[in-house]
Amino acid sequence: QQQVKQSPQSLIVQKGGISIINCAYENTAFDYFPWYQQFPGKGPALLIAIRPDVSEKKEGRFTISFNKSAKQFSLHIMDSQPGDSATYFCAASGRGNTPLVFGKGTRLSVIA
Amino acid sequence: ETGVTQTPRHLVMGMTNKKSLKCEQHLGHNAMYWYKQSAKKPLELMFVYSLEERVENNSVPSRFSPECPNSSHLFLHLHTLQPEDSALYLCASSQDRRTGGISGYTFGSGTRLTVV
Repeated sequence: QQQVKQSPQSLIVQKGGISIINCAYENTAFDYFPWYQQFPGKGPALLIAIRPDVSEKKEGRFTISFNKSAKQFSLHIMDSQPGDSATYFCAASGRGNTPLVFGKGTRLSVIA
Repeated sequence: ETGVTQTPRHLVMGMTNKKSLKCEQHLGHNAMYWYKQSAKKPLELMFVYSLEERVENNSVPSRFSPECPNSSHLFLHLHTLQPEDSALYLCASSQDRRTGGISGYTFGSGTRLTVV
């Protein structure tokens, strides 16, 4: 059973446009939701994270929107640039010492 | 470099071979992980070590055998693998297991394994 469902699988966005990636979860014990960014030939790296006590978190051009009642969260990349082309993973973790569980990833291509 | 170093970067092995993957971190992290990354699948957690003690083993076949001799080094010993085991194997470390701390999980660049 996939604990975090991510969509779309791939995304093509024009330079300057908004990239939106969505994730949904079922486990109500999850209380930490990060996004990781992976460039080709590299491992994933933490991009931005949110806890369910806020509905939105913004860092530069990257924003997480969180909807607790719908059990969904999304990553918005404003003014998308070719350098943002990468694979993005949403993840979640819950109470105790359980490790992060990851979504399947979204391959983003930003074209000029 | 992220601070987590994996060797080798690429490995081709036959189904009857024995090989080992190595991971090293000098970030002072307490937890280390092995993940398997296959196309169109989530990152699959294989093993978790906390302070050199294995705390999680996610139903991984016995042909994969981890070893954590100290808090800075992690190995994945491979033997009699199958072609479907071909994937990118990622090592990660973190200050805590749940969130990874302020910097999250720190991943290495991975070992691209091909089983022929």
